[in-house]
Amino acid sequence: GAGVSQTPSNKVTEKGKYVELRCDPISGHTALYWYRQSLGQGPEFLIYFQGTGAADDSGLPNDRFFAVRPEGSVSTLKIQRTERGDSAVYLCASSHQPPGNSPLHFGNGTRLTVT
Amino acid sequence: KQEVTQIPAALSVPEGENLVLNCSFTDSAIYNLQWFRQDPGKGLTSLLLIQSSQREQTSGRLNASLDKSSGRSTLYIAASQPGDSATYLCAVAKSNSGYALNFGKGTSLLVTP
Repeated sequence: GAGVSQTPSNKVTEKGKYVELRCDPISGHTALYWYRQSLGQGPEFLIYFQGTGAADDSGLPNDRFFAVRPEGSVSTLKIQRTERGDSAVYLCASSHQPPGNSPLHFGNGTRLTVT
Repeated sequence: KQEVTQIPAALSVPEGENLVLNCSFTDSAIYNLQWFRQDPGKGLTSLLLIQSSQREQTSGRLNASLDKSSGRSTLYIAASQPGDSATYLCAVAKSNSGYALNFGKGTSLLVTP
């Protein structure tokens, strides 16, 4: 079956612009996660959705970052007024419930470059 | 704050060798520990998930152990193959949630023919 799909695979934007990153989870997975991975580092947790609601957004670095999952499937990570420090690979993952008892399935990520 | 450390940062071995990757974490109150594989330019692939009440998990040539009290886990790879070349990441989940993972920086493995 299809895995987690992320689009675009690469995004280059100018400092100050707005970007949206999309994630299509595996069908039937109710849990969805966003992580961010900088070069040479492990991924860092950003936000976790259970269904349509953000159950934990404590990893979002500041209020320029926002994520939605309006119908409990596709999710969009939105970044306002991008800064060069936002450059990283943004990874999306999904899993069966309950979280913690089943492995995470990751997409290939969106590489964001802010110039 | 949970700190996850992986040693070594990089490892090169000839094909056929058995090898061990190490992971340590500072807070033993974890929900689970997971090992992932990451190929260049790709996402992460889950290899093994060990619940906090378990001591080890096995899948094929891979065996992962967990010693929660000492804050350590090892990933053992038997009879390594060039296709095993990748970065291996260890991650621990917080005890009160199970979903927010703290990752190490990974061990970059190269298996030479």
